[in-house]
Amino acid sequence: AQTVTQSQPEMSVQEAETVTLSCTYDTSESDYYLFWYKQPPSRQMILVIRQEAYKQQNATENRFSVNFQKAAKSFSLKISDSQLGDAAMYFCAYRSPNAGNMLTFGGGTRLMVKP
Amino acid sequence: DTAVSQTPKYLVTQMGNDKSIKCEQNLGHDTMYWYKQDSKKFLKIMFSYNNKELIINETVPNRFSPKSPDKAHLNLHINSLELGDSAVYFCASSQGSLGTEAFFGQGTRLTVV
Repeated sequence: AQTVTQSQPEMSVQEAETVTLSCTYDTSESDYYLFWYKQPPSRQMILVIRQEAYKQQNATENRFSVNFQKAAKSFSLKISDSQLGDAAMYFCAYRSPNAGNMLTFGGGTRLMVKP
Repeated sequence: DTAVSQTPKYLVTQMGNDKSIKCEQNLGHDTMYWYKQDSKKFLKIMFSYNNKELIINETVPNRFSPKSPDKAHLNLHINSLELGDSAVYFCASSQGSLGTEAFFGQGTRLTVV
C-alpha cells in the first residue's frame, strides 16, 4: 500500500514571502498522480496543483509550484508571494490507477501567514 | 449550482442511534467516494463506487453501509453510532481517468454524544 508523509505539522510564513511544504511518498508503481489540496477553515477541499509521474516538468499554477523528484519520491509545494488567504491546512495526496483512483493523503501541514 | 453537495452539514446525535448522510453530484462523474477526517485532520478513504458498483471497501466497521441508487448519488448510513464515529465525513466524485480532479463536498461534521 502507498503511504504519504508530510513531516511538517505546522509552518508559518511572513506575508509576501515564499514557503515550501514537504511531502514524501512510498510506492512501487511507475504511473500515478500527485496532488496538493488546500483546506481552509471553511472545511472545503480545494485542489491547488497536480503532477503526473511521467512528466519531468514541474507543475506550476500561478503562485504555486511543485518540486517533483521521482527517484527520491518527493513532492514539495512552493508558495510564492504568500497571502493571508493562503492560511489553511495543506494535504499532499497520491492517486494510484490500481486502487480505484482513490486518494491517499498525508497527515497535512497547517500553514499560518503572518501579516 | 454546487458540484458535490452533502446533507446535512452538521449532525449531532446520541450513541446508539442510526443516521444517514446524503451526497449528490451534478458533474456527470462515474466514481464517488466517502472519506473520513478524524479529529487530527487525517483523511482516509472509506468507500468508492463506480457506476453504482462498490469497488473499494476499506477496513470500515459493518455499521457503515454505503448505498448508491444511481451514479449521481452515494449515501452513507451508519448504524448504532459510537463516540468514536465523531468526525467529518466527505463525499467526493471524479471521472474515471487517473489525472482528473476529485471534487469534494463541504463535509458533514458528525458529533456523537
